[in-house]
Amino acid sequence: EAGVVQSPRYKIIEKKQPVAFWCNPISGHNTLYWYLQNLGQGPELLIRYENEEAVDDSQLPKDRFSAERLKGVDSTLKIQPAELGDSAVYLCASSFSDGTGELFFGEGSRLTVL
Amino acid sequence: ELKVEQNPLFLSMQEGKNYTIYCNYSTTSDRLYWYRQDPGKSLESLFVLLSNGAVKQEGRLMASLDTKARLSTLHITAAVHDLSATYFCAVDPTYSGGGADGLTFGKGTHLIIQP
Repeated sequence: EAGVVQSPRYKIIEKKQPVAFWCNPISGHNTLYWYLQNLGQGPELLIRYENEEAVDDSQLPKDRFSAERLKGVDSTLKIQPAELGDSAVYLCASSFSDGTGELFFGEGSRLTVL
Repeated sequence: ELKVEQNPLFLSMQEGKNYTIYCNYSTTSDRLYWYRQDPGKSLESLFVLLSNGAVKQEGRLMASLDTKARLSTLHITAAVHDLSATYFCAVDPTYSGGGADGLTFGKGTHLIIQP
């Protein structure tokens, strides 16, 4: 069974440029999460989707960050414009909504903003 | 606001020794998770603890949960170098019998096991 797939794995951009990350969750997982992980820290939740609905986006900086999950499967996280402080790893995770609550993570997208 | 605190944050130990990592959290929850992260890699699920008194073991690692004390422990027995990694505990703060609302993670314990 395929795991959570993310792309790109690495992205280097200059500040003020836009960037987008893509995530495909495990088949059948209707809950999808985007987390931010800074160096040496634990992951922090940005947004959670139940199917195509964003049910918790309270931690998403909406002035520059946006996300979508149009058909309730894969998802895109966008930053526009990127700032130096956005350099981090962006992790996507998925889970069954009626399961144990265990999250399955992708490999992450490492963003460097110059 | 839920707070999840791990200690120690850094641990260097020798092979063959035993040690325990502690995870305290600030709100009522009976769902706690342990993850492992190797450098440059993603998070790998180790244990899912779903009730007070839950204990799970896998190889040299054993995790337990005391929901009344809001405390989980990850015990390492006779450590080996391959267990070197960063270990995170995470809590589901709003479990109400349905799906996960999103886990809150501790800062992680960076574990180095020296030969």
